[in-house]
This record gives sequence, structure tokens and C-alpha cells, in this order.
Amino acid sequence: DVKVTQSSRYLVKRTGEKVFLECVQDMDHENMFWYRQDPGLGLRLIYFSYDVKMKEKGDIPEGYSVSREKKERFSLILESASTNQTSMYLCASSFQGAGTQYFGPGTRLLVL
Amino acid sequence: EDQVTQSPEALRLQEGESSSLNCSYTVSGLRGLFWYRQDPGKGPEFLFTLYSAGEEKEKERLKATLTKKESFLHITAPKPEDSATYLCAVQLYGSSNTGKLIFGQGTTLQVKP
Repeated sequence: DVKVTQSSRYLVKRTGEKVFLECVQDMDHENMFWYRQDPGLGLRLIYFSYDVKMKEKGDIPEGYSVSREKKERFSLILESASTNQTSMYLCASSFQGAGTQYFGPGTRLLVL
Repeated sequence: EDQVTQSPEALRLQEGESSSLNCSYTVSGLRGLFWYRQDPGKGPEFLFTLYSAGEEKEKERLKATLTKKESFLHITAPKPEDSATYLCAVQLYGSSNTGKLIFGQGTTLQVKP
């Protein structure tokens, strides 16, 4: 069964903190994605990776970085959290060449 | 600019009242169109993939169809448990290696008993 897990369901952080969100997939997928979802704005792509150690910016990469040291793991890093990064963060993965993405349960991040 | 537009934004139905959700797209080269269901506070769940105009896919009370400009998600005799946000996404030929998708804003469906 397809499985994408995210390290936390809910997270509360303070402005200026460094925040790590981790995503793990057990399907041997080459592609991994980080999105944020906000009411009225839909799903917006932050970063994606199509291979280990490879990354590409999505539509809204500012204030974020990513790390992919192993095929199954893709981390999203908020270098210095700000209140406008309060959001639902969703990780997804897919096979190379396939469009179907499988999503994790999401992490709801609140930055105070 | 490649774009995906879903309508309506919100839809309220009575149980048993059939209807359709629309996903229209203007893209340079469609490789596939995807439908997802998302329950509140959860990640999207994959429903269907459509690749060519005229193709149809069915699952329980849901049927997805595709034309050259749009896709419809038909809901027949919906039940309250069909209440969710339905997302449409497209993959372009230029994104076939990366698997990148362009998502619409979604349609939030509420089915009242």
C-alpha cells in the first residue's frame, strides 16, 4: 500500500526559529514535492526533487530550502520562520515519468 | 500561461441530487489530467487519471470525463460522505520527467442528508 508520512501533524513555532519538516515515502519514488495550501490560494509548489541531491524551485521558494540526501526522504527547511509561513504543508511523491502524485497527511504549522 | 480553472468554487447538494464539477484547462500540451479528493485537514487522495479526449473513468458514484478543453467529475446520487474538496490537476508533456502538476483551486462539495 502506498505510504507517504510526514514527521508532524501539528507544529507550533516562534518567529525566527529554524523549522524542519520531514517527509518519507516507502514506494521507491524518484520524484518528491513540497506544497503549501492556504484558503483561497489552493496548492502552491514550493520545491521539488526528481533525484537524490537534485532539487528545483517551484512557484514560491522564497524563505524555504530543501534537502534530499536519500531517495526516500525529502526535508523542507524554514530558515527563519515568519508568521506568513503559517500554513498547511503537504508532501507528495511520484514515479519518474508518471504524473500520479501520492500525498502525505499534511503538517499544519502555526508560527507565532 | 498554463492554467487550470475549477468551477464552481463551492457546491451544495441534497443527498441524491446528481451534479457535475468542471475543470477547464489552457495548457501547451496535456499529458494527463488527475482528479483528487481532499477531506478537511487531510492530504489529497488520488481518484482518477485521464489521458485522452473521450476517455472516461468510474468509481462508485463518481465518473470523470475528458474533452480537449475540460474535464467533468459527475457525481450520481451523492451521499453525505461524498462531501469533500475535489481537486483537478494537469501534467504537461514538458514535465514528464519531473512529474510536476498544475493544480486548480478546487471545488468544495457539501452533500446534505
